[in-house]
Amino acid sequence: NAGVTQTPKFRVLKTGQSMTLLCAQDMNHEYMYWYRQDPGMGLRLIHYSVGEGTTAKGEVPDGYNVSRLKKQNFLLGLESAAPSQTSVYFCASSHREKLFFGSGTQLSVL
Amino acid sequence: SQQGEEDPQALSIQEGENATMNCSYKTSINNLQWYRQNSGRGLVHLILIRSNEREKHSGRLRVTLDTSKKSSSLLITASRAADTASYFCATSMKTSYDKVIFGPGTSLSVIP
Repeated sequence: NAGVTQTPKFRVLKTGQSMTLLCAQDMNHEYMYWYRQDPGMGLRLIHYSVGEGTTAKGEVPDGYNVSRLKKQNFLLGLESAAPSQTSVYFCASSHREKLFFGSGTQLSVL
Repeated sequence: SQQGEEDPQALSIQEGENATMNCSYKTSINNLQWYRQNSGRGLVHLILIRSNEREKHSGRLRVTLDTSKKSSSLLITASRAADTASYFCATSMKTSYDKVIFGPGTSLSVIP
């Protein structure tokens, strides 16, 4: 039982490049979330999903897209990476209102 | 702006002392949760308190909620060096309960 798995764990991009972060959960949870964490700012909600095929915007959605084609996977895409998107990205799934987090992806955009 | 704000931003105490962290929020909530994050790791759920509850306990943790003041506190009793971590409150609003919004966190250092 792996819980919430994020890939990759580290990535360095050049400005303008695109990439997709993958979040996979094996707990059959309906709700999934993507957050970014920057020093001194806690976690900010990017996008979330309340079920397969659904997505919704969070606090800071600009520059990101998401897809939830399968219940167990929640993908976060950066179409054209910018240095301001340098951050640690956390995925979480939710059961009975409690969030279960992955170990994070450290992304640097140069 | 963020729904929740923790206070203090940083706290340093001696092992065995109690640690109190506060969280304030702006709009009516469905529930409030506290999470812990060890350096460089994902967050771990500690405790959830609903808007109709005033106090909850879990081991050495005590959480209170005052909806009239829109604030919550997390008390860790008899702190240990292993409690050193960042602590975050997270709120689910009544008007948008699907969203879970985090505050900036309190960094707790427990000195052996």
